[in-house]
Amino acid sequence: KQEVTQIPAALSVPEGENLVLNCSFTDSAIYNLQWFRQDPGKGLTSLLLIQSSQREQTSGRLNASLDKSSGRSTLYIAASQPGDSATYLCAVGGEGQGGSEKLVFGKGTKLTVNP
Amino acid sequence: ETGVTQTPRHLVMGMTNKKSLKCEQHLGHNAMYWYKQSAKKPLELMFVYSLEERVENNSVPSRFSPECPNSSHLFLHLHTLQPEDSALYLCASSHITQDRGHSNEKLFFGSGTQLSVL
Repeated sequence: KQEVTQIPAALSVPEGENLVLNCSFTDSAIYNLQWFRQDPGKGLTSLLLIQSSQREQTSGRLNASLDKSSGRSTLYIAASQPGDSATYLCAVGGEGQGGSEKLVFGKGTKLTVNP
Repeated sequence: ETGVTQTPRHLVMGMTNKKSLKCEQHLGHNAMYWYKQSAKKPLELMFVYSLEERVENNSVPSRFSPECPNSSHLFLHLHTLQPEDSALYLCASSHITQDRGHSNEKLFFGSGTQLSVL
């Protein structure tokens, strides 16, 4: 059974700092890995999707890496801003029932960027 | 706007009530999902519909009944719920390619329905 762990559970940093969020998973047989952002009381917004054959993806100030063999992914946020404050969720895609895809989520890292 | 719309945004119901949650996607996707997000727990997959056929049912109690009349609409019918069912219910959609049988595109979520069962 796939399990996804995110460390730390919460992180508070001053504005402008570069930071790394960590995600680990127990089963390396994955299709892909996604990083999401969730604002309080809202749904999830997909930030980056890394296919199982890829090592990293970049979007603006965000860079996500994937090391399938060690079961790890990191989300790097450069020059953090107060608007980056949110909960960041990692999810790994694997095989579900009937050939569909099943995403297994971590509990998330709550990030606060202080002005 | 993500292209996935959920209604209502908030719902308070008693344990004997019957209500339905609605989800609509305008992205041309062929797979839709219901997730449950409880406090202090990871998102839990409840149901998956692929090409309007239910392909996943994650041991969800029968008091939750999904319905997918077409590829753009998804419902979750609720009856005789328990207080522990209070949570944020999220709908999502994606595109599944038939040759691989799984999605290599991003999952798009609605804003969710915050459900409180009294």
